[in-house]
Amino acid sequence: KNQVEQSPQSLIILEGKNCTLQCNYTVSPFSNLRWYKQDTGRGPVSLTIMTFSENTKSNGRYTATLDADTKQSSLHITASQLSDSASYICVVIPQFYNQGGKLIFGQGTELSVKP
Amino acid sequence: EAGVTQSPTHLIKTRGQQATLRCSPISGHTSVYWYQQALGLGLQFLLWYDEGEERNRGNFPPRFSGRQFPNYSSELNVNALELEDSALYLCASSYGGPRISNTGELFFGEGSRLTVL
Repeated sequence: KNQVEQSPQSLIILEGKNCTLQCNYTVSPFSNLRWYKQDTGRGPVSLTIMTFSENTKSNGRYTATLDADTKQSSLHITASQLSDSASYICVVIPQFYNQGGKLIFGQGTELSVKP
Repeated sequence: EAGVTQSPTHLIKTRGQQATLRCSPISGHTSVYWYQQALGLGLQFLLWYDEGEERNRGNFPPRFSGRQFPNYSSELNVNALELEDSALYLCASSYGGPRISNTGELFFGEGSRLTVL
């Protein structure tokens, strides 16, 4: 069964600190992996996308890594800000998604940045 | 450019009633997706419409249904509401038809919060 597991479930850090969120998946074959940020009560917004051949992708203070061999991805946030408080969702796109497949969503990691 | 818009933002119903949620995709997008997000849980796929036709359906009972109109807007209907249907319902859109990509790039609306009492 295709699954995406994220850890930790929740995380509290102080403003200015770095943190790393983990995503393990069993989806195979897959074509892309995305990280979304979802503010409370809002719709998710895409942060990064990585193909199976990419190892790292940055978007400002967000850096995503991908190890296709171990089927693990991580999202590293540097110099955290209060506005980073949100749920971060890992989404795996199966290889034949555009032919009627389904995105596979993780449960999300709830990040809280405290002053 | 206007994003995905959903209405209503909040809806309160009682058990057994019906709820109708609406979604307007980004201009040029022909695919519309519906997701359910119960409190503290991840997004659960409900329905996918592309160019007026249902392309895929998640593991939800038949009382969850919907349709897509010729202008690509969509509505989600939930019949015989149950308490566990209380959730944030998110609509997303993307290019579809011959332009559909395999990158899974979805643009989400702000959601409709359904509360069933």
